[in-house]
Amino acid sequence: QVQLQESGPGLVQPSETLSLTCIVSGGSISSHHWSWIRQTPGKGLEWIGYIDYNGGTNYNPTFKSRVTISRDTSKNQSSLKLSSVTATDTAVYYCARHGGDNWFDPWGQGTLVTVSS
Amino acid sequence: DIAMTQSPDSLAVSLGERATINCKSSQNVLHSSNNKDYVAWYQQKPGQPPNLLISWASTRESGVPDRFSGSGSGTDFTLTISSLQAEDVAVYYCQQYYSTPYTFGQGTKLDIK
Repeated sequence: QVQLQESGPGLVQPSETLSLTCIVSGGSISSHHWSWIRQTPGKGLEWIGYIDYNGGTNYNPTFKSRVTISRDTSKNQSSLKLSSVTATDTAVYYCARHGGDNWFDPWGQGTLVTVSS
Repeated sequence: DIAMTQSPDSLAVSLGERATINCKSSQNVLHSSNNKDYVAWYQQKPGQPPNLLISWASTRESGVPDRFSGSGSGTDFTLTISSLQAEDVAVYYCQQYYSTPYTFGQGTKLDIK
């Protein structure tokens, strides 16, 4: 059974870069697409982007200029970097595996990132 | 971007009664190549991530109780809970995966009346 676990700093300074990691267990990062999704009270669920099984990426244009998703196959993990953050980037960040044709299943438990000085 | 709009925003239903949640997409999400609607439904309970209930608009995931059903095609979709149980209290989201950026509805909060 695939399990995902996000980790990273819970507090990020404005204008800095948010960096998160998603560790995958019970499955290979090279066998599916893996997305990052965030959730805020104001905007709800927002898809940020994915890395595919070949290492290619697809980003939401909303974030495209600020986001980088990468993977480390030796560690079986995906990483998210979001630069120039502001308070509006405060959210619970999830990683999720793509099932079938791009629904999301399963999801990690999520990690709350607060952007504040 | 394809906007997904759910209605109502919140809903209270008596135990054992039917709950119906609607989702409308701003564009057709029925793919002509396979005649499938690219819509998923999720359930999110407090403090938990969303959990996939239904894909392809009407295909229930393994382990999901059969009181949950999805219907609709094109731009209009419905999630129905045929007989509400206490454990169904949650927020429900629809999602389109027809095209990127993938987008979600704003959520419908379901409570017990």
